[in-house]
Amino acid sequence: GDSVTQMEGPVTLSEEAFLTINCTYTATGYPSLFWYVQYPGEGLQLLLKATKADDKGSNKGFEATYRKETTSFHLEKGSVQVSDSAVYFCALILSGGTSYGKLTFGQGTILTVHP
Amino acid sequence: DTGVSQNPRHKITKRGQNVTFRCDPISEHNRLYWYRQTLGQGPEFLTYFQNEAQLEKSRLLSDRFSAERPKGSFSTLEIQRTEQGDSAMYLCASSSLAGGPKNIQYFGAGTRLSVL
Repeated sequence: GDSVTQMEGPVTLSEEAFLTINCTYTATGYPSLFWYVQYPGEGLQLLLKATKADDKGSNKGFEATYRKETTSFHLEKGSVQVSDSAVYFCALILSGGTSYGKLTFGQGTILTVHP
Repeated sequence: DTGVSQNPRHKITKRGQNVTFRCDPISEHNRLYWYRQTLGQGPEFLTYFQNEAQLEKSRLLSDRFSAERPKGSFSTLEIQRTEQGDSAMYLCASSSLAGGPKNIQYFGAGTRLSVL
């Protein structure tokens, strides 16, 4: 079945460090890919998305490129801030078939950024 | 637009009791989704509605679980005869049918269920 695998956490960085959170997927069709972020005590928020191969999603300094050849959608940020501390989820949606409309999530990666 | 609202935020119950959660989606959103999230895991899909029709149910949704969306507005998720394994965060999301199947889902803050 369809699945998303994220790098194991937690990830601890100092402020202004470079961030990479790896995400790979397995899908039977042509998924759209998403990164969601969950701040403490809050609901999931969409961070960025990409709907086809080679698309780059970006938001708030975060970027991720849809790589069909490596089935990956790694999240990157050049300089993290303390306020980026949260749990990050990679997810996919397929179009068509019985999986129509549902998100399949990875297990999440906890990011902690220290001053 | 006040976002997706879920009530209650926390629910503590004893094993064997029934519980019901409510989700109010973003107004005019046709689609509504329920997910379950256990500690240290990503959310897992339970079911989804397009307007009042329940179009897909996960195998995770045992016969003790039932979801409704009367009149295509708010939704309720009921768990009968709760078990300790039902302890989790229950998330609701909504999206607009406009824009096709890859549209964005907006999540509520969730209802945390603890079964003692």
